[in-house]
Amino acid sequence: GAVVSQHPSWVICKSGTSVKIECRSLDFQATTMFWYRQFPKQSLMLMATSNEGSKATYEQGVEKDKFLINHASLTLSTLTVTSAHPEDSSFYICSVGTSNGYEQYFGPGTRLTVT
Amino acid sequence: GNSVTQMEGPVTLSEEAFLTINCTYTATGYPSLFWYVQYPGEGLQLLLKATKADDKGSNKGFEATYRKETTSFHLEKGSVQVSDSAVYFCALPLGTSYDKVIFGPGTSLSVIP
Repeated sequence: GAVVSQHPSWVICKSGTSVKIECRSLDFQATTMFWYRQFPKQSLMLMATSNEGSKATYEQGVEKDKFLINHASLTLSTLTVTSAHPEDSSFYICSVGTSNGYEQYFGPGTRLTVT
Repeated sequence: GNSVTQMEGPVTLSEEAFLTINCTYTATGYPSLFWYVQYPGEGLQLLLKATKADDKGSNKGFEATYRKETTSFHLEKGSVQVSDSAVYFCALPLGTSYDKVIFGPGTSLSVIP
């Protein structure tokens, strides 16, 4: 399966600043990537679908201007949390979509803490 | 649209005990079904999958059978180990948008020596 990495794995930032999270598909050309967030002891919540070379599609209730997604190449998608607030603290996970029976390959996640 | 229900945790078992985690779904047609596992502090990994009715997915001693009569995909393991401690998610494609997958709420499993 595809190997997916995320950077950073853990970040602390101050309220009001912006943080960029990278998701890389190391050995698979990822036309489609997904961004999820996960609160402690909860399931994954899909935030947006990122398509290479086009605008991301956001799920209902997710603020587009706050969570900026860029998917400029087949190997890299980025999520920027703008003007972060403590309530944005969460575990952010990306995944690569495949046409193999809808299977997804997940990155290890990025834990964001906003102080 | 499609949906998935999963038994609530947490589940605590002794090593070598038998494990069952229930998963039921509602779906249009017969979509692929998945079990993902998340170890502490990590992302998700595909544990097993079944692509059609009556298929049995298996991996690392875990099994799940796609049962269309009961719309279920229960996860089982005959003898759990401490290293199986993790959160397990049942999942299936979201409606006709097959790129998207919806996840159950997750079941936390703790295996004690």
